[in-house]
Amino acid sequence: DQQVKQNSPSLSVQEGRISILNCDYTNSMFDYFLWYKKYPAEGPTFLISISSIKDKNEDGRFTVFLNKSAKHLSLHIVPSQPGDSAVYFCAATGVSDDKIIFGKGTRLHILP
Amino acid sequence: NAGVTQTPKFQVLKTGQSMTLQCAQDMNHEYMSWYRQDPGMGLRLIHYSVGAGITDQGEVPNGYNVSRSTTEDFPLRLLSAAPSQTSVYFCASSTNDGYTFGSGTRLTVV
Repeated sequence: DQQVKQNSPSLSVQEGRISILNCDYTNSMFDYFLWYKKYPAEGPTFLISISSIKDKNEDGRFTVFLNKSAKHLSLHIVPSQPGDSAVYFCAATGVSDDKIIFGKGTRLHILP
Repeated sequence: NAGVTQTPKFQVLKTGQSMTLQCAQDMNHEYMSWYRQDPGMGLRLIHYSVGAGITDQGEVPNGYNVSRSTTEDFPLRLLSAAPSQTSVYFCASSTNDGYTFGSGTRLTVV
């Protein structure tokens, strides 16, 4: 059973607009959430994270929102740029387990 | 249950020993890959395969070998373990619908 779910395999967004990538999780023991970005033939690289004690974390064009009651987080990219085209993974981990559980990824296409 | 199965979950090796990390998937995915996860460095791609009989190097291939004799299996071999290979290893398979990761193998080389 998937503990971290990214229900959209792909997303297309116009350059300059906002990209919103969604993620749901089922394990209430998760308390730290991460987003990774992956280009072809490379490993995923860390993008931004959020602890369960916060509901928002912002880093430049990237903002992650966490809704613990809904077990939902989202990544907002504003404004979207061509270099943002990549696969984005949502991931989660808990206090008692240092392994990270990954979602299946969402492929983001930024359209010119 | 369909998915990616990694074994073992934990392993301790002595420097110089060899071992194979197993990875199997039953989803008929063509693309499979191995990553290592180290603190502060994200996941780094070790080797990948786009189908049976085809493998290629990723970002950090040194010290590791892979083979892909079947679509289902993609084992990762450590030829002569070194402390620098202490890490958590993830196997993944993928299609256009997304990636499926294994649960990881924590390897410690002493």
